[in-house]
Amino acid sequence: GENVEQHPSTLSVQEGDSAVIKCTYSDSASNYFPWYKQELGKGPQLIIDIRSNVGEKKDQRIAVTLNKTAKHFSLHITETQPEDSAVYFCAARSYSSASKIIFGSGTRLSIRP
Amino acid sequence: NAGVTQTPKFQVLKTGQSMTLQCAQDMNHEYMSWYRQDPGMGLRLIHYSVGAGITDQGEVPNGYNVSRSTTEDFPLRLLSAAPSQTSVYFCASTPTGGADTQYFGPGTRLTVL
Repeated sequence: GENVEQHPSTLSVQEGDSAVIKCTYSDSASNYFPWYKQELGKGPQLIIDIRSNVGEKKDQRIAVTLNKTAKHFSLHITETQPEDSAVYFCAARSYSSASKIIFGSGTRLSIRP
Repeated sequence: NAGVTQTPKFQVLKTGQSMTLQCAQDMNHEYMSWYRQDPGMGLRLIHYSVGAGITDQGEVPNGYNVSRSTTEDFPLRLLSAAPSQTSVYFCASTPTGGADTQYFGPGTRLTVL
């Protein structure tokens, strides 16, 4: 079946440095790739997304890149701040699977002061 | 708008008991979904609905029932709770018209003894 692999499972970076989280997907029909941030005790919240007709998208300190040929996409956070500490999930949606979104297993990002 | 609301926030059940997790949204979203979140496994889709009166199974539907009698409400029923159903449950909704952004509720933490 379809799956999404996410790495690393934990990531610790110095405040001000960059963080990169990588995901690969198996369903070649996937064409929408959101990233969610989950803070402790809360539900996931969308932070950025990208569609298959775009290779890169930026929103201030956050960027996502997509390589459809290799079936992988990455989240880049620059100039990390303490409030970036959270669990991040990548996901992939396939329009061949109606409303199904498949999530990665999550990355716990910690920002060291 | 209150967004996506879930009740209760916490629940403890004994094996074999039944209960209903409530989910409501006030954004007139067509699509609604239920996920469970277990450590190291991301979010897994239980059931979803593309509109009132229409439901379908996700990745892990066994032991759960859903119904969608109104656009606003999408309750999840556990028929006979088992320890394997101990998890955090999230409800999500997606806007009308094929938009992809999912809005998550705050979650229900369920423990089955």
